[in-house]
Amino acid sequence: DAGITQSPRHKVTETGTPVTLRCHQTENHRYMYWYRQDPGHGLRLIHYSYGVKDTDKGEVSDGYSVSRSKTEDFLLTLESATSSQTSVYFCAISESFGANSGELFFGEGSRLTVL
Amino acid sequence: DQQVKQNSPSLSVQEGRISILNCDYTNSMFDYFLWYKKYPAEGPTFLISISSIKDKNEDGRFTVFLNKSAKHLSLHIVPSQPGDSAVYFCAAKPSSGSARQLTFGSGTQLTVLP
Repeated sequence: DAGITQSPRHKVTETGTPVTLRCHQTENHRYMYWYRQDPGHGLRLIHYSYGVKDTDKGEVSDGYSVSRSKTEDFLLTLESATSSQTSVYFCAISESFGANSGELFFGEGSRLTVL
Repeated sequence: DQQVKQNSPSLSVQEGRISILNCDYTNSMFDYFLWYKKYPAEGPTFLISISSIKDKNEDGRFTVFLNKSAKHLSLHIVPSQPGDSAVYFCAAKPSSGSARQLTFGSGTQLTVLP
């Protein structure tokens, strides 16, 4: 199993509060991703990173920011949480990024509830 | 507008029989396809992939079939086992595109009954 740890695994917070989810990998993979999973939508990409300090937006990036100061850590921040951000968040990593890539290794997920 | 659709939210199959999970796509640029399997409280895990240069790829009990003209792919599990009970996600992207271009379907919950 790929060494990916997400924390916290569960969090309940109130609307308007900041939240940071952490993803830590021990595989030294260059590429890291944050997805959210919602019923009826599957997995949707929030942000991704292609190296230290190199990040870019995904499909559903509004209301989220990320940072990657070390290869092994990728942080997802909700500056001011809203109820629409209640979801299960998955971190993923990959060795490759280009053509015929697509095999991602996922963490166990972080369930966030915004009241 | 969902570009990758899994129209069956759930499927129940008897142990030992065949499970067939279906996936349709609308973007004609998609030519690389993957299936992921997800157990409760775990992250998805990669199961099998297929490129559009093939119409079939097999790995043990799992076979993926691709019908490019119909923009349809299916995952066959034979024989089905109770441990196969999970949510299965179909994903697609252009083969020349990067992993960030993966588009996932909404998933199908497979239940294999003993």
